Amino acid sequence: GQQVMQIPQYQHVQEGEDFTTYCNSSTTLSNIQWYKQRPGGHPVFLIQLVKSGEVKKQKRLTFQFGEAKKNSSLHITATQTTDVGTYFCAGRYYGGSQGNLIFGKGTKLSVKP
Amino acid sequence: DSGVTQTPKHLITATGQRVTLRCSPRSGDLSVYWYQQSLDQGLQFLIQYYNGEERAKGNILERFSAQQFPDLHSELNLSSLELGDSALYFCASSVGGDRGPYGYTFGSGTRLTVV
Repeated sequence: GQQVMQIPQYQHVQEGEDFTTYCNSSTTLSNIQWYKQRPGGHPVFLIQLVKSGEVKKQKRLTFQFGEAKKNSSLHITATQTTDVGTYFCAGRYYGGSQGNLIFGKGTKLSVKP
Repeated sequence: DSGVTQTPKHLITATGQRVTLRCSPRSGDLSVYWYQQSLDQGLQFLIQYYNGEERAKGNILERFSAQQFPDLHSELNLSSLELGDSALYFCASSVGGDRGPYGYTFGSGTRLTVV
């Protein structure tokens, strides 16, 4: 079946260091979304990428969608303790059931002050 | 408060029992999705309803069923519960389908513990 692979599973950084998580799909995606789940919380929608090669920024967060629309990344510059949580990518496939997002397993980020 | 309401927040029940989880979507959202989150499996899509009709089905067990009512609230029924069904169950809603750059709005979840 369709799968979205996300790496790394865990990332421990010192506050102020950068962080990147990567998503890969074996088949082309229609679009990809990113979510953040704080410890004990629920996933919160961050952004959606649709176009090949698209790059979007939200303050210290930079989201990229690959040219082939098979991979994506989220980069956080100068992490802060408020960035702690699990970051999920979620891909939607062409021809897939409408509204059916396939979530990666997430990257759990911890930030040491 | 995300606008998606899930009840109950916590549920402890014995193996073999049946439970019902309830979800009220955000006002104006027509689609409701159910996800199961366990430690090792991440977010697993179970089922989607759109304006009262089943729209998509994921890895939902035959022991599980769901429905969406005319007022758009949804219920997820889990029966013949097993220890492995212990997980966090999320409901999410969206305006509908792939329209617009809108993501899913998740509720705070129901933590189910089967003992």
